[in-house]
Amino acid sequence: DIQMTQSPSSLSASLGDTVTITCRASQSIGNYLNWYQQRPGKAPKLLLFTASSLQSGVPSRFSGSGSGTDFTLTIGSLQPEDFATYYCQQSHTAPPTFGQGTKVEI
Amino acid sequence: EVQLVESGGGLAQPGGSLRLSCAASGFTFGTYWMHWVRQAPGKGLVWVSHINTIGSTTTYAESVKGRFTISRDNAKNTMYLQMNSLRPDDTAVYYCARETSFGFDPWGPGTLVTVSS
Repeated sequence: DIQMTQSPSSLSASLGDTVTITCRASQSIGNYLNWYQQRPGKAPKLLLFTASSLQSGVPSRFSGSGSGTDFTLTIGSLQPEDFATYYCQQSHTAPPTFGQGTKVEI
Repeated sequence: EVQLVESGGGLAQPGGSLRLSCAASGFTFGTYWMHWVRQAPGKGLVWVSHINTIGSTTTYAESVKGRFTISRDNAKNTMYLQMNSLRPDDTAVYYCARETSFGFDPWGPGTLVTVSS
């Protein structure tokens, strides 16, 4: 299985900050990389697909980049609702695998 | 509105069984692959199983292979997960999710399975 490694595991930030989360795949996955947001007690929500495409309804302060094995999720101008855990997921090779998550805290 | 809702979770004893359901609405259920993903308390997301549109192809994580069975009834817009020989490490919130060209979207709110004596 393809291993997905996120860093950092957690980070502290303030309202208005810009934060970057990285995700590394154990082998090349092209751009088959998705990002999800999970707020406490809620189900995950798709934010970006194919590394950099914004899902409908997701604010433009979220952006993604990367290809191959290294990817980033950037959240610009953090808002209160952005404090959550973020997961990357590869959809290149079955089974789908997730990173361990990055918790963004105040 | 596209929606998924899981049910059937609860408390089971080690070695016991539970059957989860995932009811779909707002889209043509029978045209999408579907998945189960679980999340142990305080842990990350782990893929469990997938089923193709007509139920002819299924795959499982190694940790549940031989114990769990995924199925679907397209006439009822419902997917199932039969869980047998449950173990304490199966304790988790179980989510169903629709696979699209753009990732897993949407997800249901989840149903909690607790395996304990």
